Amino acid sequence: EAQVTQNPRYLITVTGKKLTVTCSQNMNHEYMSWYRQDPGLGLRQIYYSMNVEVTDKGDVPEGYKVSRKEKRNFPLILESPSPNQTSLYFCASNNKGLSGNEQFFGPGTRLTVL
Amino acid sequence: AQKITQTQPGMFVQEKEAVTLDCTYDTSDPSYGLFWYKQPSSGEMIFLIYQGSYDQQNATEGRYSLNFQKARKSANLVISASQLGDSAMYFCAMREWEYGNKLVFGAGTILRVKS
Repeated sequence: EAQVTQNPRYLITVTGKKLTVTCSQNMNHEYMSWYRQDPGLGLRQIYYSMNVEVTDKGDVPEGYKVSRKEKRNFPLILESPSPNQTSLYFCASNNKGLSGNEQFFGPGTRLTVL
Repeated sequence: AQKITQTQPGMFVQEKEAVTLDCTYDTSDPSYGLFWYKQPSSGEMIFLIYQGSYDQQNATEGRYSLNFQKARKSANLVISASQLGDSAMYFCAMREWEYGNKLVFGAGTILRVKS
């Protein structure tokens, strides 16, 4: 089954404690992205990757890091989380092109930073 | 300027009636795609329908249709014969060819279907 997986699905942590949210896709997609969702703002792109070892900032990259060492994995790293990073996070993958059915989202990770 | 605007924060519709959720967009890229997603209370993003900028006909997927008016830059979602299970948040999004890796989302519309 074609899918994007994320772990953990839920996480409560404290300010300053480093954490990693994993993301993996099994569709051999070149493009992967991280989004955060906040009320009234929709989803906003944090970082994206167009291929292995190729990453770049999205619209809201501050406080986040990513890496793309393998095509299937795209972890999101919060080196020193802060309460304003409490949000719902989605990993997504797609191939080149604009076709709608090539855009896949993971199930989401609800993060709370106390 | 906002690239995607959804002007209806919340909507109510009676079960079995049709409802239109509004979406306007802004782009200078001639190649782009427009998407609608449904997000139920469980949180996952469910793809509903897609319209390409060069598509001649409005997209349809079962009870969902996209009313694409290119000159007005609008891409409204029409849900026919609403069901209780349609109650959810709905997002309009756009991907431009120049930024093939990124979807830009609107703020969303919460739809509540009344029995």
